[in-house]
Amino acid sequence: DTGVSQNPRHKITKRGQNVTFRCDPISEHNRLYWYRQTLGQGPEFLTYFQNEAQLEKSRLLSDRFSAERPKGSFSTLEIQRTEQGDSAMYLCASSLRTATTGELFFGEGSRLTVL
Amino acid sequence: SQELEQSPQSLIVQEGKNLTINCTSSKTLYGLYWYKQKYGEGLIFLMMLQKGGEEKSHEKITAKLDEKKQQSSLHITASQPSHAGIYLCGAQNAGGTSYGKLTFGQGTILTVHP
Repeated sequence: DTGVSQNPRHKITKRGQNVTFRCDPISEHNRLYWYRQTLGQGPEFLTYFQNEAQLEKSRLLSDRFSAERPKGSFSTLEIQRTEQGDSAMYLCASSLRTATTGELFFGEGSRLTVL
Repeated sequence: SQELEQSPQSLIVQEGKNLTINCTSSKTLYGLYWYKQKYGEGLIFLMMLQKGGEEKSHEKITAKLDEKKQQSSLHITASQPSHAGIYLCGAQNAGGTSYGKLTFGQGTILTVHP
């Protein structure tokens, strides 16, 4: 099954360290999304790419966050100088631009714990 | 910005019972999505509704969007333990350029006792 793959699944880090998450979307999907989900809340949109272009960023994405999709395939989300408030599940999703249902295919997420 | 309120926040039912989860928007909904999430995992797409009065069903799950397009309900008939999880409604932002940029409700936690 070649669904959306995210790595690592879990990351524990100390405050101030940098972390990077990787997302491999479904191969033919040209749109890729990053969401963040804290405990007891629904996911919050962070940013999305169409192919390699980052088309939109949420105000939630502070300057410590950077996302890339260099070749229009996999994407990385880097958080610099992590803070305890960054502890969350980071979800990646992909879709086809032309899809009529608007369905997003989500990965299983990368859970970040900042100590 | 659009806000979605889900009710109830949690629900415990006996297997075989019917149940309904509601999702209310502060603004007109231009696309309403229902997803299911197992604890600690990603989201699974259930259904999308766009037109006022629209109703869709898949197996024992039925979702409706009211005529005013500000409220949606998700109904499960004869619940099973496999229905347990977190149900999330998500709304497409009006005038948005991407179907995938959604605002989600806080989720409803469903527990089904055998």
